[in-house]
Amino acid sequence: DTEVTQTPKHLVMGMTNKKSLKCEQHMGHRAMYWYKQKAKKPPELMFVYSYEKLSINESVPSRFSPECPNSSLLNLHLHALQPEDSALYLCASSQLQGGYGYTFGSGTRLTVV
Amino acid sequence: SQKIEQNSEALNIQEGKTATLTCNYTNYSPAYLQWYRQDPGRGPVFLLLIRENEKEKRKERLKVTFDTTLKQSLFHITASQPADSATYLCALEDFGNEKLTFGTGTRLTIIP
Repeated sequence: DTEVTQTPKHLVMGMTNKKSLKCEQHMGHRAMYWYKQKAKKPPELMFVYSYEKLSINESVPSRFSPECPNSSLLNLHLHALQPEDSALYLCASSQLQGGYGYTFGSGTRLTVV
Repeated sequence: SQKIEQNSEALNIQEGKTATLTCNYTNYSPAYLQWYRQDPGRGPVFLLLIRENEKEKRKERLKVTFDTTLKQSLFHITASQPADSATYLCALEDFGNEKLTFGTGTRLTIIP
């Protein structure tokens, strides 16, 4: 299995809702990432997990809460989002040592209304 | 401040010609430079990685060069095809840092 699977593919949520994005990989990668991508912009790093521990948090607002239950799963919990949080949310994984490419999922298209 | 810039926001190339994309960076000491392809509404797909001590890497019709003195990488697609049309992103990974940072991207269109 050489894929990163993200669910759901599309999500529309109100500003008072709580929802979660899910990501799964079975390549044995020990680093997993959340990126946010706005239209016509490059992906921006949000969080990095190494060995299931949060190692980088790029000063993301607390309404985004990551969770790594085990080495294959990564969640992003969403609460009280704003319309400007609408974007494509990408999950990625990689070998922990550098020198390898990242494998990205197809993303979750999030719309906050 | 750190910057990764890809010179052209958009590039149109005639089919069969070589497309050359540029990636320049400042205030980085990258261990690795990577190139990705991204189609609309999809995640980036890894193409090639080049290490800071390598000058050139090839894979089929793709070639990447890396000049750490100029702080620049060039990405070439030879014998370009309409199916090569996509956005291409360069990305840098610093030494000892699990952080991959992307450049601004170039939208490449191959014209039949």
